[in-house]
Amino acid sequence: AQSVSQHNHHVILSEAASLELGCNYSYGGTVNLFWYVQYPGQHLQLLLKYFSGDPLVKGIKGFEAEFIKSKFSFNLRKPSVQWSDTAEYFCAVNVMDTGRRALTFGSGTRLQVQP
Amino acid sequence: GAGVSQSPSNKVTEKGKDVELRCDPISGHTALYWYRQSLGQGLEFLIYFQGNSAPDKSGLPSDRFSAERTGGSVSTLTIQRTQQEDSAVYLCASSLNPGRNSPLHFGNGTRLTVT
Repeated sequence: AQSVSQHNHHVILSEAASLELGCNYSYGGTVNLFWYVQYPGQHLQLLLKYFSGDPLVKGIKGFEAEFIKSKFSFNLRKPSVQWSDTAEYFCAVNVMDTGRRALTFGSGTRLQVQP
Repeated sequence: GAGVSQSPSNKVTEKGKDVELRCDPISGHTALYWYRQSLGQGLEFLIYFQGNSAPDKSGLPSDRFSAERTGGSVSTLTIQRTQQEDSAVYLCASSLNPGRNSPLHFGNGTRLTVT
């Protein structure tokens, strides 16, 4: 079964610092990849997604992620974080070859941005 | 209307009691998912509905857990004889269809505490 690993459980950054959150998945076939974000007190919402094509995808609020197939990775990046980016970030994968519809999520990374 | 609605938002129950959690998906969304989020864990898939049928219930942790969906809309997740390890946030999500171009829309979840 597929699995998703997020190695950074808790990240603390100062405003304007650059961000990179790691995400690795275990399946070697065709995958769809997602990053979801949960701001304090709010529901999970989609940040960005990769289905095919350009491996560098851009999402909302200046976030981007790069799909590197050879590394089974889909790391999330932002050049300059803001206090409002404080949230929990979840990477998720959907394996297209199995026909399974449900996403498999990582354990999440809690990002704390200090003003 | 609005987003995915879940009720109750919080539920405290005694060990051994049964609980029912409700999810109202976005109108017109045919796919519905239940996930569980425990402290420090990622989102654990429980069950997926397409319409009123559940083609994937592989994530239900035991036979104490069951779910149904009626009218292609509202879903209830029932946990019988609750145990302390059932304490978690139960999240419901819906999507327009189960295809890859339909992102998941999450509710705010039901926080279940079993004492």
